[in-house]
Amino acid sequence: GENVEQHPSTLSVQEGDSAVIKCTYSDSASNYFPWYKQELGKGPQLIIDIRSNVGEKKDQRIAVTLNKTAKHFSLHITETQPEDSAVYFCAASPERFGNEKLTFGTGTRLTIIP
Amino acid sequence: KAGVTQTPRYLIKTRGQQVTLSCSPISGHRSVSWYQQTPGQGLQFLFEYFSETQRNKGNFPGRFSGRQFSNSRSEMNVSTLELGDSALYLCASSLAGGYSGNTIYFGEGSWLTVV
Repeated sequence: GENVEQHPSTLSVQEGDSAVIKCTYSDSASNYFPWYKQELGKGPQLIIDIRSNVGEKKDQRIAVTLNKTAKHFSLHITETQPEDSAVYFCAASPERFGNEKLTFGTGTRLTIIP
Repeated sequence: KAGVTQTPRYLIKTRGQQVTLSCSPISGHRSVSWYQQTPGQGLQFLFEYFSETQRNKGNFPGRFSGRQFSNSRSEMNVSTLELGDSALYLCASSLAGGYSGNTIYFGEGSWLTVV
C-alpha cells in the first residue's frame, strides 16, 4: 500500500518568513495530493490540493509543487503570519473511482514566531 | 452550506463497553470515510462508504464497524472498547463518482476517551 513520509516534524519560522514542508510517497498510482491544516481541538481543514496533471498550484500565500518522477510534493507558505501556526498534514490517494482513501504523512507542527 | 457534522463531540466510555458515533456529510456528498487519529499512530483510515456499501476498509480489527444510510448519513461502532481505542475519530465526506476531483472534507471529530 501507499506510504507517505513528511518532513520536518517541527518547524519554527519568524513571522514574515517562508515555510516549506516536504512529503514523499511510494505508490506511483497516487495522483491526488491534498494538504490539511489542523488547529488544536479541531478537525483537519483542506488548504490546498494538487492533482498529477499539474506541477504547481498557488492560492494567495500558499503554493504546492509536485514532482511525479521523484514522487515528492511540497507545501510553501510565504509571508507567514501567527495564524499559520498549526499542524500540517500531507496526504496521497489514487483518485480512481471507488477509492476515497487518503494516506497521511505524520504531520508538521509549524510555529510562527512573532 | 453546512460542513461535515459529527456527534457527539466528546464522550467517555468504560473498557468493554461499545460506542456509536454519528456523521452527517455535506449536502450532496455520497461518500463518507472514517479516520482514527492518535498521537502515536497519526491519522489512519478506517473505512469508506458509498451508496450504503462499504467500498474500502483499513487495517482495523472487526470490533470497528460502520454503516451508511440512504440519506448518506453514517455511523461507526466500536465494540468491546479497549484503552487503546481512545482517539479522535474523524468523519470525512466527498462527492465521489469517478475522475471528477474528489475533494475530501473533514468534520471536527468525536473525542473518545476509554477509561
